[in-house]
Amino acid sequence: AQSVTQLGSHVSVSEGALVLLRCNYSSSVPPYLFWYVQYPNQGLQLLLKYTSAATLVKGINGFEAEFKKSETSFHLTKPSAHMSDAAEYFCAADNFNKFYFGSGTKLNVKP
Amino acid sequence: NAGVTQTPKFRVLKTGQSMTLLCAQDMNHEYMYWYRQDPGMGLRLIHYSVGEGTTAKGEVPDGYNVSRLKKQNFLLGLESAAPSQTSVYFCASSPEGDFDTEAFFGQGTRLTVV
Repeated sequence: AQSVTQLGSHVSVSEGALVLLRCNYSSSVPPYLFWYVQYPNQGLQLLLKYTSAATLVKGINGFEAEFKKSETSFHLTKPSAHMSDAAEYFCAADNFNKFYFGSGTKLNVKP
Repeated sequence: NAGVTQTPKFRVLKTGQSMTLLCAQDMNHEYMYWYRQDPGMGLRLIHYSVGEGTTAKGEVPDGYNVSRLKKQNFLLGLESAAPSQTSVYFCASSPEGDFDTEAFFGQGTRLTVV
């Protein structure tokens, strides 16, 4: 079965600093990959998705992710963190319309 | 469009009680899912459905049953609730497809079993 690993359950950055959230997948066949964001007491909202068209994927709110097959990684980045980015982020893999989620990374943004 | 709607949003059950969570989607999606979210464990798939009248087990199906009698609705049932089922439950739906598939989520149901 597909699995997704997120390194770091909590990440803290200062406002304006680089955001880097790590995600690795385990599959011999690269799956479709996603990043979702969850704000407190809300459902999950899609940030971006990789569907093999391009290895660098741009999403909403200035986030982007790069697919690296050699590293089986799909890390999420944002050049400059805003206070409004504080949330929990989930990496997910789609394997034949079944979505597998990582354990999540809570992003804290310090003023 | 409402998207994916879950009812109820909150519920407290006593051990041994039963209840049904309702999920409704208005996007004509083929696939529907039930997940549970627990701290530090991400979202785990309970059951899913690939179309009206079909259901299948996910990663953690024990203690739950589901039904998909209508394409737009996906029901999750707990026959005899246990404290271990205290969790936040999310319903999601997705269209059938290879490249543009993404999951759309409801707002969640917070269930406490005492």
